[in-house]
Amino acid sequence: NAGVTQTPKFQVLKTGQSMTLQCAQDMNHNSMYWYRQDPGMGLRLIYYSASEGTTDKGEVPNGYNVSRLNKREFSLRLESAAPSQTSVYFCASSEAGQGARDTQYFGPGTRLTVL
Amino acid sequence: AQSVTQLDSHVSVSEGTPVLLRCNYSSSYSPSLFWYVQHPNKGLQLLLKYTSAATLVKGINGFEAEFKKSETSFHLTKPSAHMSDAAEYFCVVTHSGSARQLTFGSGTQLTVLP
Repeated sequence: NAGVTQTPKFQVLKTGQSMTLQCAQDMNHNSMYWYRQDPGMGLRLIYYSASEGTTDKGEVPNGYNVSRLNKREFSLRLESAAPSQTSVYFCASSEAGQGARDTQYFGPGTRLTVL
Repeated sequence: AQSVTQLDSHVSVSEGTPVLLRCNYSSSYSPSLFWYVQHPNKGLQLLLKYTSAATLVKGINGFEAEFKKSETSFHLTKPSAHMSDAAEYFCVVTHSGSARQLTFGSGTQLTVLP
């Protein structure tokens, strides 16, 4: 039981390049989330998926797209990376039912640098 | 609207002494409150959560927090710090079932001195 896994762990991009961050969970959770973490700030929600087949914007969705590929997998895509997207990205999942009141389980993060 | 303020960005304690990490929240509705811990280069792990049951909440690794509505506080405490407690701690508030209403504090870095 690996929990929440994320790939890659580290990535360096040039401005304008695109990439997809992958996230998978093996806990049979319905809801999945993408956050970014910047120095001196808490986590901010980018997008979430309350259940398979649905996605919705969070606090900071601009510049990102997501795909809920199936119940296990939730990917985050940067179409044209910008230096402002340099951050640590966390994926999380929760069982569902209580939405934000659920306990969320986090992956180890992806450290992204955009030059 | 809701918000959460972690009153100290850094806290240093000696091993074996008590830990107090302070969190104040603002919410128009009955909130749910969480404390998460993040060790270096790791994801966040839930320490404890309050969801309108007992006001004193016990979590993992000897941590506990008390919900005080009159003071709008949810401070995290531990009687005796251990070296392994050194990490960053986040207070989180929500009043809603919507993930968009989850608000994280800016974090408190706990240093434990030998």
